[in-house]
Amino acid sequence: DIQMTQSPSSLSASVGDSVTITCRASQDIYVYCNWYQQKPGKAPKLLIYNANNLQSGVPLDFSGSGSGTDFTLTISSLQPEDFATYYCQQSYSTPQTFGQGTRVDIK
Amino acid sequence: QVRLQESGPGLVKPSETLSLTCTVSGGSISAYYWSWIRQTPGKGLEWIGYISYNGKTNYNPSFKSRVTISVDTSQSQFSLKLNFVTTADTAFYFCASSPPHLNGNTLRAAFDMWGQGTLVTVSS
Repeated sequence: DIQMTQSPSSLSASVGDSVTITCRASQDIYVYCNWYQQKPGKAPKLLIYNANNLQSGVPLDFSGSGSGTDFTLTISSLQPEDFATYYCQQSYSTPQTFGQGTRVDIK
Repeated sequence: QVRLQESGPGLVKPSETLSLTCTVSGGSISAYYWSWIRQTPGKGLEWIGYISYNGKTNYNPSFKSRVTISVDTSQSQFSLKLNFVTTADTAFYFCASSPPHLNGNTLRAAFDMWGQGTLVTVSS
């Protein structure tokens, strides 16, 4: 199975801050990295697919980059509704696997 | 907009079968791929398997000997059966959809829509 390793596991930030989360795949997954946001008691929500494509309806503050084994999710200006847990996921091969999550909370 | 809704028992006894159904509304069940994913505090998010609108399945080897996913296009539903459950199968179970982006026979697509999730507890 392809392992997806996120860092950091948690971070504290303020409204308006820029935040970057990284994800490293255990092997080359080309561009097949997706990012999700999950709030407590809710299902994950797709933010970014295929490394850098913004899902419809997702604010432009969110962006993704990377290819191969290293990927990043950037939130350019944190809003109050962005405090949540973020997951990367690879869709290059089955079984599709997720990172362990990065919790973003209020400083 | 497509909506997904999980349904099924919230409590299952050890060694029995966990059965869940996902109902798709607001769109066609055809031409999409449909997955089951679960979430536990210990293992995080785990993809269990998917089925295509025409019945092609792909299962996570971690579950392969115990899992069956089926689709009923007439009811716009797809289902999960997980046999011989143990307490380790206690989790939130989500159904989700993926667009049919295939590379050869491999589905390479994100999970773009999710159900709200349902908690299944395995306990006697």
